[in-house]
Amino acid sequence: KQEVTQIPAALSVPEGENLVLNCSFTDSAIYNLQWFRQDPGKGLTSLLLIQSSQREQTSGRLNASLDKSSGRSTLYIAASQPGDSATYLCAVGYSGGGADGLTFGKGTHLIIQP
Amino acid sequence: DTAVSQTPKYLVTQMGNDKSIKCEQNLGHDTMYWYKQDSKKFLKIMFSYNNKELIINETVPNRFSPKSPDKAHLNLHINSLELGDSAVYFCASSLIPGLAGEISYNEQFFGPGTRLTVL
Repeated sequence: KQEVTQIPAALSVPEGENLVLNCSFTDSAIYNLQWFRQDPGKGLTSLLLIQSSQREQTSGRLNASLDKSSGRSTLYIAASQPGDSATYLCAVGYSGGGADGLTFGKGTHLIIQP
Repeated sequence: DTAVSQTPKYLVTQMGNDKSIKCEQNLGHDTMYWYKQDSKKFLKIMFSYNNKELIINETVPNRFSPKSPDKAHLNLHINSLELGDSAVYFCASSLIPGLAGEISYNEQFFGPGTRLTVL
């Protein structure tokens, strides 16, 4: 049974800090890994997608890394802003050729203090 | 706007009723999904469907059934609703590599969710 764990469960930091969110998965035979953002009462916004053959992906102030062999991914947020406050979800896909769903972690609830 | 859309956004109903949630995507994707987010905000896959296969999570009661009238729609039907069915239900879609002959990384895009409350 695949499990995805996110640490910490919650994080509160002052504006401007750089921060790292962690994600680990038990089965390293992944196809891809997605990081999402969820605002309260809203849907999921895809932030970054990393293929199993990739080491990292970058989008603006966000950088996601993947170490498939150790079963870990990190989401790095540079120069955090109050607008970054949200729940960040890590999700792992185990099949690219089939219609399998994603296995999600329970998320990191992030608060950026102005 | 290209997106995944769901209707209704909110659904309040009595125990024992039968209800449906609709999902449509205009992204040209070939695979659609239903996820359930429980009261603790944990997201779990319920169904995955494309024209080749339907994958059902073994924990989903058979009161739940997906129905796809065409590639752009995957509706969720729920019979004999129970209190424990109260949750937020999300639809998603993706393009499976190889099925459409296009380059795809199987990135999933989510709808805004439907909050179901069973009284």
